[in-house]
Amino acid sequence: GAVVSQHPSWVICKSGTSVKIECRSLDFQATTMFWYRQFPKQSLMLMATSNEGSKATYEQGVEKDKFLINHASLTLSTLTVTSAHPEDSSFYICSASPRVAGGGEQYFGPGTRLTVT
Amino acid sequence: QQQVKQSPQSLIVQKGGISIINCAYENTAFDYFPWYQQFPGKGPALLIAIRPDVSEKKEGRFTISFNKSAKQFSLHIMDSQPGDSATYFCAASIGRYSTLTFGKGTMLLVSP
Repeated sequence: GAVVSQHPSWVICKSGTSVKIECRSLDFQATTMFWYRQFPKQSLMLMATSNEGSKATYEQGVEKDKFLINHASLTLSTLTVTSAHPEDSSFYICSASPRVAGGGEQYFGPGTRLTVT
Repeated sequence: QQQVKQSPQSLIVQKGGISIINCAYENTAFDYFPWYQQFPGKGPALLIAIRPDVSEKKEGRFTISFNKSAKQFSLHIMDSQPGDSATYFCAASIGRYSTLTFGKGTMLLVSP
């Protein structure tokens, strides 16, 4: 149980285009989903926290107009990187917390490797 | 400001040995301390977690030791195996279900 999937697992796009990454909780409903960014050999950096049906809360320094997050249902959150540039190339990981009383622990997806050329 | 300091950055241990990774935190409001294991190209997976009301928690070959007064906690991997070779992250949060603050990670290599 508590499986989180991401799609696509890797994507290559040209500079200036937009890319959408999906995060799904497969066997549970997620009250909260988190989006992280990870550079090679570095730790996870929280980008934003999203609750179903409400606007995402972005961490300081994360451009909300560039990284659009939508949490439309209890099993799906999407991250759209708009007007991507090479510096946006990174490993993007989502996590989800089960919808249980008081919330639940975070379960991580397998990540999406984004390369912007 | 890094709120969770993790060491060492990398670690090489012989098969069958004990791997020890240490973390120190600054925020005394933290009350949930999980450890995650991450293989290359994969997302992190929760290994084991502890709350400050206990000093030690063991699950199989993995043990967390917690020292509240020193604001330190550590992961011990007993009888380390080559399959344990991965990056390990400690983390901390205020409450079990809130946002996690991660350490910088430790790359563990267990040699055959």
